[in-house]
Amino acid sequence: SAVISQKPSRDICQRGTSLTIQCQVDSQVTMMFWYRQQPGQSLTLIATANQGSEATYESGFVIDKFPISRPNLTFSTLTVSNMSPEDSSIYLCSVVGLGGGGETQYFGPGTRLLVL
Amino acid sequence: DQQVKQNSPSLSVQEGRISILNCDYTNSMFDYFLWYKKYPAEGPTFLISISSIKDKNEDGRFTVFLNKSAKHLSLHIVPSQPGDSAVYFCAASEASGTYKYIFGTGTRLKVLA
Repeated sequence: SAVISQKPSRDICQRGTSLTIQCQVDSQVTMMFWYRQQPGQSLTLIATANQGSEATYESGFVIDKFPISRPNLTFSTLTVSNMSPEDSSIYLCSVVGLGGGGETQYFGPGTRLLVL
Repeated sequence: DQQVKQNSPSLSVQEGRISILNCDYTNSMFDYFLWYKKYPAEGPTFLISISSIKDKNEDGRFTVFLNKSAKHLSLHIVPSQPGDSAVYFCAASEASGTYKYIFGTGTRLKVLA
């Protein structure tokens, strides 16, 4: 299984600022994703982080607001830019790795963000 | 528009009894369904999945049932244990292997000792 760590685990930020969240995996993985879970809502896919190329964003999410980097097969960052209180969410990194029954999707512990 | 719905935000069950968590979906193109379990301060962990060619899949104490005509799936936990207390998310996708899942809002299960 893949072990995923995220930094920071939580943060409180002022509106208008930006925060970069890091995701580190203990093994090389082919697919990495970033999700968001707003209060009382379901997990929503933001984008697929592609190694060495631009991320693929889902409808409603844009690169200017959520720039993503993935310089190698074990690391990715998500930046939440020009934050507003509506960006207060849990942000989760997710990867696809090999589990007991084949390919399985694993999630990191999440970064809890509060924007004031 | 919520394509995957978990209408019960919470559920309490006595230890040893059956827990039944329900999930409804609206998109008839969904053909792969999963359940995830989430403990506080941890990410969701994969529990069990089912593809649309089946109507039941079992893994130990966990069984998922799929009723395609009703666009409904359920997770049965028998017998329920206090360690099963967590938030359970159902998720769906239009094909396995895409990993582009649509998640429900979750049901918080509390198993009482």
